[in-house]
Amino acid sequence: QKEVEQNSGPLSVPEGAIASLNCTYSDRGSQSFFWYRQYSGKSPELIMFIYSNGDKEDGRFTAQLNKASQYVSLLIRDSQPSDSATYLCAVLTGNQFYFGTGTSLTVIP
Amino acid sequence: ETGVTQSPTHLIKTRGQQVTLRCSSQSGHNTVSWYQQALGQGPQFIFQYYREEENGRGNFPPRFSGLQFPNYSSELNVNALELDDSALYLCASSSGGTLNTEAFFGQGTRLTVV
Repeated sequence: QKEVEQNSGPLSVPEGAIASLNCTYSDRGSQSFFWYRQYSGKSPELIMFIYSNGDKEDGRFTAQLNKASQYVSLLIRDSQPSDSATYLCAVLTGNQFYFGTGTSLTVIP
Repeated sequence: ETGVTQSPTHLIKTRGQQVTLRCSSQSGHNTVSWYQQALGQGPQFIFQYYREEENGRGNFPPRFSGLQFPNYSSELNVNALELDDSALYLCASSSGGTLNTEAFFGQGTRLTVV
């Protein structure tokens, strides 16, 4: 079983809609959770991170964490074509950082 | 622009050779971590350096080694290159000695082993 699992997609949403990206992790001891965005051929850029159960909002982005279900999600409101990218979920477990394989998102104008 | 710079940006090596990749961390950051990202995959954690000491390592063989200098820049060395080592190598810098903080990535080094 992989440490971090994401639906590889592709996920397509129309411009202005809400995009929902999901991630599950296997180790209940994982302590921090991160969402990165990666454009093709570029390095990942941090969108946001979350440590505690519940929601964390930053502009159009909301991260949700449910440790009991070992589930992290990222909601993107008012999706824009510039949001089209691969979204990577990353989990800190002990002293190691595990990434999922990423979900490809396409926002259709 | 994250302030994390890597060199070179692209590199072609022959199987069996050795390679050194370099990373300059963002100002104020004392922790550097290295990742390998194969095509279509997420980054895989190689190791992390904090104040010149390795303090975390992923599932990579000993031929992957590293170094951190007093100015917190870092090197990744790979010996006896194999074809499967072809990947994008990313370094990320952060502060505090753990990964429990924001980590910012450099632009990566694309290594091709032929």
